[in-house]
Amino acid sequence: KAGVTQTPRYLIKTRGQQVTLSCSPISGHRSVSWYQQTPGQGLQFLFEYFSETQRNKGNFPGRFSGRQFSNSRSEMNVSTLELGDSALYLCASSLASIGQETQYFGPGTRLLVL
Amino acid sequence: DQQVKQNSPSLSVQEGRISILNCDYTNSMFDYFLWYKKYPAEGPTFLISISSIKDKNEDGRFTVFLNKSAKHLSLHIVPSQPGDSAVYFCAASGGSQGNLIFGKGTKLSVKP
Repeated sequence: KAGVTQTPRYLIKTRGQQVTLSCSPISGHRSVSWYQQTPGQGLQFLFEYFSETQRNKGNFPGRFSGRQFSNSRSEMNVSTLELGDSALYLCASSLASIGQETQYFGPGTRLLVL
Repeated sequence: DQQVKQNSPSLSVQEGRISILNCDYTNSMFDYFLWYKKYPAEGPTFLISISSIKDKNEDGRFTVFLNKSAKHLSLHIVPSQPGDSAVYFCAASGGSQGNLIFGKGTKLSVKP
């Protein structure tokens, strides 16, 4: 069974631009979560989607948004990029959004904002 | 306010010996705990998990112990191998936290 895939793997943008990252979950998984990893803050939760609905949201500004499609694929958008948005963005999928579920991670998208 | 803490940023162990990685949590509502292994520029790889109804879970060389009264869990790797060298993250979920809350990680170096 194929794992979680993320595209693109690497991205360079400039301040003020916007970016869209894509995530395809493991087949059959309906929950997709997004995390940001930075050296200083570790892995921080952005938001989670289940059946095309945002079920949970972390403490990030409204510039960070996402959506999920009917095939469970998810996209994350960051508008008006800032230097501090440079990070590894990780997507994780699981079968359901509630309960003791193991999340499986993709390889991440490395975003560099100049 | 860190709900999941890994107080040792790094750990060095000799090949063949036991590696013990520790994790403390503060939220008593957490009921599911996981360990992930991560190499640079890659996503975390799931290693092992434990539900709060258990105090031990074993999978090959990896064993996770949970002490609910102390709000403490540990990952034992026996025997340690050089390929185990990576950053290990402890994560927890439960209660109102549908998402995973991660510790900041412990970098394990296993020396041949």
